[in-house]
Amino acid sequence: AAGVIQSPRHLIKEKRETATLKCYPIPRHDTVYWYQQGPGQDPQFLISFYEKMQSDKGSIPDRFSAQQFSDYHSELNMSSLELGDSALYFCASSSLLGELFFGEGSRLTVL
Amino acid sequence: AQSVTQLGSHVSVSEGALVLLRCNYSSSVPPYLFWYVQYPNQGLQLLLKYTSAATLVKGINGFEAEFKKSETSFHLTKPSAHMSDAAEYFCAVRMNSGGYQKVTFGTGTKLQVIP
Repeated sequence: AAGVIQSPRHLIKEKRETATLKCYPIPRHDTVYWYQQGPGQDPQFLISFYEKMQSDKGSIPDRFSAQQFSDYHSELNMSSLELGDSALYFCASSSLLGELFFGEGSRLTVL
Repeated sequence: AQSVTQLGSHVSVSEGALVLLRCNYSSSVPPYLFWYVQYPNQGLQLLLKYTSAATLVKGINGFEAEFKKSETSFHLTKPSAHMSDAAEYFCAVRMNSGGYQKVTFGTGTKLQVIP
């Protein structure tokens, strides 16, 4: 069965650079979620989209933005990167009120 | 607000012994509860979910969890630990936020299985 696809799997950036992460949800899932998991931390909710509209917002920094496109894939844009942004970024998708299915994550390292 | 608390950030068991990972929830309405497992450098995989259909929920890999309203608990168990069970386990609760759902995770419990 198709799963949630995230790219890239690994990304290395310098401080103050910009990074973009992509997420392709499971077909027919209309909701996408982004989570950030720092080293040794539990996943923290960043933002979610339902039918291309932002549905909820968590602890997402102002330097980050995200959107969901017409094909339901989503992109998380991160600017002015800081060392503390180094983390595993998970995307999850669901049908409305269904359980979340997670991708393998994108590991961002900021040097 | 709904939340989950996991007791014990690290649990060690011998291979073949009972696994018990604790999770307590706080919710003013019937909760939807989940257990996820995360192997090193991998994503989160759903182990099982409680959606009010049955209080004893069976999941993958021989795990099960029992919803106990009187104790506000949703502990994860497995009768006999296997080396491959070594991972981090997250309890999670789904809450409605403005008509949409959001999943909030507990702080996780790392399970070590000793040969």
